[in-house]
Amino acid sequence: GAVVSQHPSRVICKSGTSVKIECRSLDFQATTMFWYRQFPKQSLMLMATSNEGSKATYEQGVEKDKFLINHASLTLSTLTVTSAHPEDSSFYICSARLPTQGADNEQYFGPGTRLTVT
Amino acid sequence: AQSVTQLDSHVSVSEGTPVLLRCNYSSSYSPSLFWYVQHPNKGLQLLLKYTSAATLVKGINGFEAEFKKSETSFHLTKPSAHMSDAAEYFCVVSVRISGYALNFGKGTSLLVTP
Repeated sequence: GAVVSQHPSRVICKSGTSVKIECRSLDFQATTMFWYRQFPKQSLMLMATSNEGSKATYEQGVEKDKFLINHASLTLSTLTVTSAHPEDSSFYICSARLPTQGADNEQYFGPGTRLTVT
Repeated sequence: AQSVTQLDSHVSVSEGTPVLLRCNYSSSYSPSLFWYVQHPNKGLQLLLKYTSAATLVKGINGFEAEFKKSETSFHLTKPSAHMSDAAEYFCVVSVRISGYALNFGKGTSLLVTP
């Protein structure tokens, strides 16, 4: 099946610094990727939809200047958490969708990135 | 808007007994519905999906779910639980008008006891 990777799997950074998380589709091209965050013992919340070659679409309440998303190629999307603060500590998960249209195409999830801001 | 409600945050069953994880959905459009499983420290895995074909959907690892439009439900079942089924389960809804973005339920934690 389709494989999605994320890098890094864990990252610890100091408050005020920026962190970049990469999401790659390894064996397929993904015109659309999604970024989620998951707090401990909670569900996944969609942050933004990333479309290759265009600007990301952010969900209500997500600061686009803080969570920068770039989808420069059909196999790579990046999420940069700028000026990170402890409240940004969370589990960030990306997913990728096959380029075919229709609801039948499922999303393939990466293993997630655990971000801890100290 | 579309949403799902998972009626139980925790379910505990004995090994070998049936599993029932309940999910109700709300959608103004024809939904696609999914069940995903999340094991500790692992990525989300698709168990099964409903996309307007057969209402009884069979998935991996012996799981199945039935789409009931009249009850707006999509409950997940398995005849006999295994210890390895212990995990977090998410019911998910998706509609075309929202670009097929997935809307997750809050999750149900399944505990399987020996």
